[in-house]
Parts: sequence; C-alpha cells; structure tokens
Amino acid sequence: RKEVEQDPGPFNVPEGATVAFNCTYSNSASQSFFWYRQDCRKEPKLLMSVYSSGNEDGRFTAQLNRASQYISLLIRDSKLSDSATYLCVVTSGYALNFGKGTSLLVTP
Amino acid sequence: DAMVIQNPRYQVTQFGKPVTLSCSQTLNHNVMYWYQQKSSQAPKLLFHYYDKDFNNEADTPDNFQSRRPNTSFCFLDIRSPGLGDAAMYLCATSREFSGAANEKLFFGSGTQLSVL
Repeated sequence: RKEVEQDPGPFNVPEGATVAFNCTYSNSASQSFFWYRQDCRKEPKLLMSVYSSGNEDGRFTAQLNRASQYISLLIRDSKLSDSATYLCVVTSGYALNFGKGTSLLVTP
Repeated sequence: DAMVIQNPRYQVTQFGKPVTLSCSQTLNHNVMYWYQQKSSQAPKLLFHYYDKDFNNEADTPDNFQSRRPNTSFCFLDIRSPGLGDAAMYLCATSREFSGAANEKLFFGSGTQLSVL
C-alpha cells in the first residue's frame, strides 16, 4: 500500500463551484500534514498546513481525521486560477511523502 | 527574492554523459533535499543532507550522487544518465527535518532534465 494516496482526477468544475479532495495515508505515526499546489512544470508551493482541529484560509478549508487517516481539502467559489495539481503531503520520519496529486481544472 | 535557486532551469544531456545540477540557498537551513519528479508522478526523495551528514534513500540508484561542500550549496551528479532519468529534479530545504511538527519545505524552481 502506498504511503499517501489521492484520487488523481481530473476534477473539472465550473467557476464558482465547490470542490473537495481527499487523501489517505498509511503511517499512523505521521506527524505533520500539508497541501501543496503545483502548476504545470513548476515546483510545488505550500498551500496550507493541516491541523487536527481543522483550519481555514480564505476559500480553502483543510481537515484531518487521524482515526481514519485521511486529510481533506475543500475549495469554495472556485476561480480559474485554482486550476493546478494539489499534492497531499504527509511526514514520515525525516522526510515528507507526497501523493501523486489531484488535478483540478476550473472552467469558465 | 528567490531563496532556493536551482540552475539551470532546463538541462539537456546525452545518454551516458555525466551531468551536474546545482542548488543554492540563502535561508541558512540545515537540511537540503533532492527530489525526482516524473510526469504525473509524486516527487520522490533521492537523498538529503542534515548539515554535512548525508542520507541516501535505499532505492536511489548508484548512478545518482550528491555533494554538499558548504551550507549554501548542494549538487546532484548523475554519472551516466539513461533515458529513464529524464525528469524534473527539485531541490528543497528546511530549517530542521521536515518530520518535525509543521516544518515546511522550501522548493527551488526545479531543473527539467532531458536525456537524448
């Protein structure tokens, strides 16, 4: 079983829609959780950390369920500029483990 | 201002011809990482340094080597590139190990390697 698994998508949504991504991880001892955004042929950029209590940053909400070992990202009021690949990242020991990413395309 | 700088942005090499990718950082971070990312794949950790202490991932091919002559610079050497080594190579840094609670990675813009 892979350490971090995501639905690769693509998710095609119209502007203004709400879209949710899920991610599961296998290592119950994982400590830290993040969502990164990656544009085509660019480096991953930190979108937000994910805290146990859940956290929100503008239109983005991240939640962590340790019991079920999954993380979610909710994007409200999608913008064209949100089109990208969203990588779920989980720490395991000294390094971060990346999921393959979920591709989002927001259309006019 | 870029804090993790990778050069070159694009690199073309010939099959079997050694190539070196470079990374520098102005953050004075202890940890530097090299990741390999192939198309539609997750970034895969190749190795990392904590200061001068080197750690190679178990499945990193011997064809890949790294050097960190000082805190600021880290190099990835591919001794005999094969077609399967064509990928984006990402350098990243963190102040401490990224496994520490909420320790974030700072990425360079990557080097896209093509092997002809």
